[in-house]
Amino acid sequence: QKEVEQNSGPLSVPEGAIASLNCTYSDRGSQSFFWYRQYSGKSPELIMSIYSNGDKEDGRFTAQLNKASQYVSLLIRDSQPSDSATYLCAVNVRSNYQLIWGAGTKLIIKP
Amino acid sequence: DAGVTQSPTHLIKTRGQQVTLRCSPKSGHDTVSWYQQALGQGPQFIFQYYEEEERQRGNFPDRFSGHQFPNYSSELNVNALLLGDSALYLCASSIDRVLGFEAFFGQGTRLTVV
Repeated sequence: QKEVEQNSGPLSVPEGAIASLNCTYSDRGSQSFFWYRQYSGKSPELIMSIYSNGDKEDGRFTAQLNKASQYVSLLIRDSQPSDSATYLCAVNVRSNYQLIWGAGTKLIIKP
Repeated sequence: DAGVTQSPTHLIKTRGQQVTLRCSPKSGHDTVSWYQQALGQGPQFIFQYYEEEERQRGNFPDRFSGHQFPNYSSELNVNALLLGDSALYLCASSIDRVLGFEAFFGQGTRLTVV
């Protein structure tokens, strides 16, 4: 079982709709959760961090964390073509300095 | 405020050669991590440097080594290059803290081994 799992996609969403991206993790010691956006050929860009159960909103982005079910999700409202990218979920485990990454979900926003 | 900078951006090397990649962290950051990202995969942790010491290492052979300087900048060295070392090499800087850390990435170095 992979430590951090994401659906590879591609996930196709119409412009203006809500895109929903999901990530599950296996280590219950996980304490910090991050969503990164990566355009083709570029480096990952941090868009959201979340540390406690519940929702965290930042502009059009909302991160949701459920530690009991071991999943974290990212909602993108009013999706724009510029949101088309691969979205990577990264997790940090307590007492461990590295980030554990999913393979990413490719999101395509159709005009 | 300068972000994380990496050099060079692209590099072509021959199998068996050695390469050095460089990274300057974001202003105020004291921790540097290196990752390798193959096409279509998430980044894989190579190692992390803090206070000029390698604090943690991922599952990479000893051919991969690094250094952190007093100004927090860092180098990644890879010896005896293999074709499989071709990848995007990412440097991430962060601030050492107890709970959580937000890591910010440089633009990466695309290494091609031929």
